[in-house]
Amino acid sequence: DQQVKQNSPSLSVQEGRISILNCDYTNSMFDYFLWYKKYPAEGPTFLISISSIKDKNEDGRFTVFLNKSAKHLSLHIVPSQPGDSAVYFCAAGGSNYKLTFGKGTLLTVNP
Amino acid sequence: GAVVSQHPSWVICKSGTSVKIECRSLDFQATTMFWYRQFPKQSLMLMATSNEGSKATYEQGVEKDKFLINHASLTLSTLTVTSAHPEDSSFYICSARNDQGTSGRTIYEQYFGPGTRLTVT
Repeated sequence: DQQVKQNSPSLSVQEGRISILNCDYTNSMFDYFLWYKKYPAEGPTFLISISSIKDKNEDGRFTVFLNKSAKHLSLHIVPSQPGDSAVYFCAAGGSNYKLTFGKGTLLTVNP
Repeated sequence: GAVVSQHPSWVICKSGTSVKIECRSLDFQATTMFWYRQFPKQSLMLMATSNEGSKATYEQGVEKDKFLINHASLTLSTLTVTSAHPEDSSFYICSARNDQGTSGRTIYEQYFGPGTRLTVT
């Protein structure tokens, strides 16, 4: 039973355009949502997060949107840069501080 | 700040031997650390929650006698894969929660180590 789903295994965008990565969840008890970026053979690095009481959080080129009624969140990267190419994981946290991760989306930004 | 190190970064061992992986929080205290396992092109699967000074909490399906976790100090947790077999070959990643938190950051945020690639032959 996958509680956090990233249905697109990969996404390819042109440099300068917007990248939109999507994530769906099933557990309404999740309090917090985070996005991590991961390169091969490295640990994930934190990008941006959002509390369940908000619907948007912005940090530079990265914006996360949360639609609680649809149990859906998305990460927008604009403008996309070749250095953004990596696997992006969506994660959700509950009261026990454990994180549940999606399977990740491989983003490729083409020059 | 908030750096987590793992050692070794990669290890090859023979079937039947045990391997210890260390996870250290370098510039903060971490009462709680987490151990994950990642298979190729798969998600990070939480194996266990490591609690300083008490027993680890294992996720369903993870053998506690096979994956021994010790969290003896506020900056160090170790994972020992006992009697390793080829099916234990994987990428193991630890993470740590900052006890003090960071201004403006969520308490859910985990800082990840660089991972350890284990190959059992």
